[in-house]
Amino acid sequence: QQQVKQSPQSLIVQKGGISIINCAYENTAFDYFPWYQQFPGKGPALLIAIRPDVSEKKEGRFTISFNKSAKQFSLHIMDSQPGDSATYFCAAGPVNKLTFGTGTQLKVEL
Amino acid sequence: SAVISQKPSRDICQRGTSLTIQCQVDSQVTMMFWYRQQPGQSLTLIATANQGSEATYESGFVIDKFPISRPNLTFSTLTVSNMSPEDSSIYLCSVAGGSSGANVLTFGAGSRLTVL
Repeated sequence: QQQVKQSPQSLIVQKGGISIINCAYENTAFDYFPWYQQFPGKGPALLIAIRPDVSEKKEGRFTISFNKSAKQFSLHIMDSQPGDSATYFCAAGPVNKLTFGTGTQLKVEL
Repeated sequence: SAVISQKPSRDICQRGTSLTIQCQVDSQVTMMFWYRQQPGQSLTLIATANQGSEATYESGFVIDKFPISRPNLTFSTLTVSNMSPEDSSIYLCSVAGGSSGANVLTFGAGSRLTVL
């Protein structure tokens, strides 16, 4: 199975800071790159997604940066808040066969 | 987006038994999938539930262990058969299409199984 490598495994950020999570993929045929947010006891919820024809997408405090040539994409959370503390998963592929990264546990401290 | 209800939300099962998880969606959806999330791990696609035909399984997953039904466009079941402690996981139903949009994958809250 094609891998999606995600880093860091865990991240601690001060309130108001920027959280950055990185992912790298292998398969150049992948055409959909979503990020999911998961709180304990809940299912993953779609946060933001990007297609390979754009290099950046912003929705509120969340931004995806996409580098097609490097096969990398990242999630930036601006003005991080304690409520953002959760596990974040990147994924890549066609929507009907997504491959997920290993997850990043984000903790935003006051 | 589509609203997905899964039952049971959690269960504790004995080794060697089987458990069926139900997934109900509030709208007709084109695609339904079952994922597994082992403790502290990522999500792995088990199979695509095909309406009116046999499910399509990913490498490492077989029908005898994870039989799946999908009798209509809003409902699917996943059975975990002859369970062992290694099957302790969260099982997630997900959908694409319908009110979620064809290019968006939406997850249910999951069914957390513990096998003793």
